[in-house]
Order: sequence, then structure tokens, then C-alpha cells
Amino acid sequence: EPEVTQTPSHQVTQMGQEVILRCVPISNHLYFYWYRQILGQKVEFLVSFYNNEISEKSEIFDDQFSVERPDGSNFTLKIRSTKLEDSAMYFCASSGRNNSPLHFGNGTRLTVT
Amino acid sequence: RKEVEQDPGPFNVPEGATVAFNCTYSNSASQSFFWYRQDCRKEPKLLMSVYSSGNEDGRFTAQLNRASQYISLLIRDSKLSDSATYLCVETDFTGTASKLTFGTGTRLQVTL
Repeated sequence: EPEVTQTPSHQVTQMGQEVILRCVPISNHLYFYWYRQILGQKVEFLVSFYNNEISEKSEIFDDQFSVERPDGSNFTLKIRSTKLEDSAMYFCASSGRNNSPLHFGNGTRLTVT
Repeated sequence: RKEVEQDPGPFNVPEGATVAFNCTYSNSASQSFFWYRQDCRKEPKLLMSVYSSGNEDGRFTAQLNRASQYISLLIRDSKLSDSATYLCVETDFTGTASKLTFGTGTRLQVTL
């Protein structure tokens, strides 16, 4: 069964540094998402992406965040200047159709020190 | 603000028991609903979609009540492997891509 893959599985960075989280969505999917989950809290929507542009973003997704689909396979989330409160598990997800359930990657655990 | 509310639990049940979870949602325009399962420190995985007519998948039955804006999940004959957090999810289509909103999850612990 095709999978969404994310790298790295764990990223440790210092406050103020830039990080790029990488995702390879399922190959024939058209809709891409980033979610995050702070330890012990619920899964929160960050951003959705379709047709090479952001469809919707949450209030969490401020100017420090950006997404890119640089080629036909990768979907990246960049945090320009990390803060301690950015420490969380970041999940990438994709779906083939607009009303289909999402398939999640296994996540990148980001630790900001 | 659109919310999905769940009892966080934990629900501690013996193996073989039947357990039910409910979830309420505030967005009356929600169109699709799902139950996801999340194991500790893992990604959410789709358990089943939820339809107004109700749907069953083996030991799992999901139901949607649009009038009261709640969703239920029934697990029969619980197994140890059912121990996980169950996430109630509603879908909004206000943008060009749908957006899933997750509940806080209900933790289930099945014991011997």
C-alpha cells in the first residue's frame, strides 16, 4: 500500500534556527497538508495545499512558516526562526480527492532547545 | 470557532467488552466525518468513515446524528490491540481543499 513518507523522523534545533521538514506524499494525490501535535494535545491543522498554492492556513501558520512543492514529489514545511513552542510532532498528509480521508506520514518530531 | 469535543477518558475495559465513544461537533456545515485511531507517538490512521445511515466494519460500528451533531463509535468484543486513542474528525470544505478538524481523542485501554 502506498505511503506518505517524512524525513527526518526527529530533528533537534536551536531556537532561532531554520528547519525544513520534508514529505513525499502518495504519488497520485493532489491535496497536501501539514498538521502538528504538541505532546499531550490534539492534532492541529496548519495548512492545506492544492494546485501549487496554499488553499487554507490556520492562525498557527504565521509568517515564520512556509510550504513548497519544489518538484513533482516533495512537499516541504519550512520554519524560518524556530521558537521553543514550535516543539511538536509535525505530520504531513495527502489525499487524492477533496472529500477523501487523509493519509498521514509517520511524522517528524521537532525539538527546539 | 469550530470545535470537535470528545471525552478524553481513559476508558478501561476488559477484553471482550463492548465500549462506545461519542463525539459532538459545532460546525453544522460539516460534510464528512471520520474516526481515526492513534497509537502513542504515532500518526493518526483512518479507522472508518461515518455515514448518516451508519456503517459497520467488523467489530466497529459508526453512526452520525446530524440533528444532534454527534458521532458515535461502538467497538464490540474488545481486543488488547484496540488499546489506542480514538480521534473524531469532521471535514470542512470552505477552501479549495478540505480541512480536517480533530477532536482531542478518547483513550481506550483494554485489559486482560
